[in-house]
Amino acid sequence: QQQVKQSPQSLIVQKGGIPIINCAYENTAFDYFPWYQQFPGKGPALLIAIRPDVSEKKEGRFTISFNKSAKQFSLHIMDSQPGDSATYFCAASYYGGKLIFGQGTELSVKP
Amino acid sequence: DGGITQSPKYLFRKEGQNVTLSCEQNLNHDAMYWYRQDPGQGLRLIYYSQIVNDFQKGDIAEGYSVSREKKESFPLTVTSAQKNPTAFYLCASSIDPNTEAFFGQGTRLTVV
Repeated sequence: QQQVKQSPQSLIVQKGGIPIINCAYENTAFDYFPWYQQFPGKGPALLIAIRPDVSEKKEGRFTISFNKSAKQFSLHIMDSQPGDSATYFCAASYYGGKLIFGQGTELSVKP
Repeated sequence: DGGITQSPKYLFRKEGQNVTLSCEQNLNHDAMYWYRQDPGQGLRLIYYSQIVNDFQKGDIAEGYSVSREKKESFPLTVTSAQKNPTAFYLCASSIDPNTEAFFGQGTRLTVV
């Protein structure tokens, strides 16, 4: 029940495309859903996060869509660029709990 | 500079030896975490601490130990009981689990 399931494992898109990464969770106590971006050999860095009181959040070219009833959330990257090529992780937590990560999606944006 | 510092960046260990990975933060964060990263398996939680002198096991604690004697420091010891210790280890901290976690640059441990 503590798991966060992420798909796909890898994704290849052309420059300008809109990659979509999906995550699903079971624990209804989760109330914080961040996305992290990681470049090779580096630690992950927060990209964008959402709480369940909203269904969508945009920051620049990155959008989170959140479906509370389905217990799913997804990351959309608009007008993707080669510099967006990285590994993306979704995560979930609740106050007083622990931060649980999905398995990661390796994104490659071709020029 | 405020941040979270892991050292060393690369570490080599002989089989049967214990080794300690350092993690220090000057962000005044209460919560600290250790994750292990293997290819294709994401980040798996080893231990976490929400306050000084208290810590809890994560999903893969066997073969690892931690201490939290100071707010700023959360060292991880990889013991000889850990069967497959070669991995990339990441330390993180946050004000609490429900806010942004800041990660260090990681320590790559190789058993030789």
